[in-house]
Amino acid sequence: DQQVKQNSPSLSVQEGRISILNCDYTNSMFDYFLWYKKYPAEGPTFLISISSIKDKNEDGRFTVFLNKSAKHLSLHIVPSQPGDSAVYFCAAKTGGGADGLTFGKGTHLIIQP
Amino acid sequence: EAGVTQSPTHLIKTRGQQVTLRCSPISGHTSVYWYQQALGLGLQFLLWYDEGEERNRGNFPPRFSGRQFPNYSSELNVNALELEDSALYLCASSLTQISYEQYFGPGTRLTVT
Repeated sequence: DQQVKQNSPSLSVQEGRISILNCDYTNSMFDYFLWYKKYPAEGPTFLISISSIKDKNEDGRFTVFLNKSAKHLSLHIVPSQPGDSAVYFCAAKTGGGADGLTFGKGTHLIIQP
Repeated sequence: EAGVTQSPTHLIKTRGQQVTLRCSPISGHTSVYWYQQALGLGLQFLLWYDEGEERNRGNFPPRFSGRQFPNYSSELNVNALELEDSALYLCASSLTQISYEQYFGPGTRLTVT
C-alpha cells in the first residue's frame, strides 16, 4: 500500500516557465512533508519542507503548498532552469518526533531549452 | 562542512553471503537513517539509529541489521543475501532526533549475483 504517491513519472517543462510537481498521500497521521531532488549517481538533496500546520512555505524559487483536506501537496519551481532537471521525491513522516521518511516513487523533471 | 559519506561506492556479492555497509554522518549529527532504493521503487526506510540506539525499523526482515558507534557513524549489515537485495543503499543523517530534515550520502550500490 503506497502511502505517498507521485502519479506523474515524468514532466517536461520549458526553461523559464513554472514547474509544478504533485504528490498525494493517504495517511492522515503524516505531520511533516519534505521534497528532495536527486541527480543520477548522487544521493537525494533536501530542497524544502512544510509542517502540517502550515499551507505554504517558500524558499527562493521553490514553494511548497499543502492542502490537508485533499491530502495533496505540490512543489512549484519558478522560473525553471536547466539545472532543475532531476528526479524529485516527495516524502512524509508521522509522529511528534523524527522518524524514517515515507517516500513517493519520484517524478523525473526535464527542463527543455 | 563535509556531507554524509558512505563506503564502499559499489559492491558485488554472491547470494547467501553477508555484507557490511558503512556511513559517516555530518559532523554534529546524532541520528542516522538507512534506506533501500531497489530498481523501480522509491526509497524504503530500513533503520533509524540515534545516540547509539535503534529507534525504529521499517518493514524488512531481521537479516537486515546495523549499529551506531559512539562517534555516531553507522554500519548496515545484511546477512544471507538474496538477489532482490540488489539495490542502492542510502544513509542519511539529521541534527538530532527532533530534526526532521535528513541529509543523504551518495549511496552504496549493491549487486547480488
